[in-house]
Amino acid sequence: KNQVEQSPQSLIILEGKNCTLQCNYTVSPFSNLRWYKQDTGRGPVSLTIMTFSENTKSNGRYTATLDADTKQSSLHITASQLSDSASYICVVSVENFNKFYFGSGTKLNVKP
Amino acid sequence: ETGVTQTPRHLVMGMTNKKSLKCEQHLGHNAMYWYKQSAKKPLELMFVYNFKEQTENNSVPSRFSPECPNSSHLFLHLHTLQPEDSALYLCASSQGTGSYEQYFGPGTRLTVT
Repeated sequence: KNQVEQSPQSLIILEGKNCTLQCNYTVSPFSNLRWYKQDTGRGPVSLTIMTFSENTKSNGRYTATLDADTKQSSLHITASQLSDSASYICVVSVENFNKFYFGSGTKLNVKP
Repeated sequence: ETGVTQTPRHLVMGMTNKKSLKCEQHLGHNAMYWYKQSAKKPLELMFVYNFKEQTENNSVPSRFSPECPNSSHLFLHLHTLQPEDSALYLCASSQGTGSYEQYFGPGTRLTVT
C-alpha cells in the first residue's frame, strides 16, 4: 500500500534552534519527493523537490535529504525563526502516473 | 499568492444549498487541481485537469462537480453537501502534470451546516 508517514506530528522549538522533520514512504515506483510549507489559513508553498538521483537539496535555511534505498527523507531547518512556524508536508509522487501521496504533516511551532 | 486566486475565501452553506468555488491562475499553466484538506488528515487530491480535460477523478462523490472552461479557470460546483464535507478546499496549478511543481491558492474554508 502506498503511504507517506511523517514524524513527529508536532514539534515545539525555541527560536534560533535547529530541527529535523522526518518522512518515510512506501510509494512505488518512486518519481519524486517534495516538501511543502503551509502557513495557517494559506495554501502550501514548495520548498524543495528531489528526484531519485538527488540526495540533498537546499533552499536557504531548509535542507532536504533523500535516501531512496531506505525510502526516507528529512527536512532540516537551521537557525529557526518565528516565521518558520507552520505545517510541513511531505509529498511523494508515482512514476508515470499523475498520483501524489501526501503525509499528514508536521506542525512546527517556533517560540521566542 | 497572486499567482493562484480562489474565491470565496470563506463559505458557509446549508446541506440543501448550491454553491460554486472559483479558482483562477495567472501563471500560464496547463494543469489545474482541486484538493480537500480536512483537519488532521493528509491533503486529498480530488480532480486533475490538463489542457481543460479531466484526467483524474479520485472517486469523488457526485455532489462535487468540477468544471474547467479554459486552462486559467477551474470551478467546483457544490450541491447537497454533508457536514463531513466541511474542509479547506485548495486549488493548484502546474505547467504540466507529473513532476512539475504545483502552485497552490489560499484555499476556500467551507463549512456545511
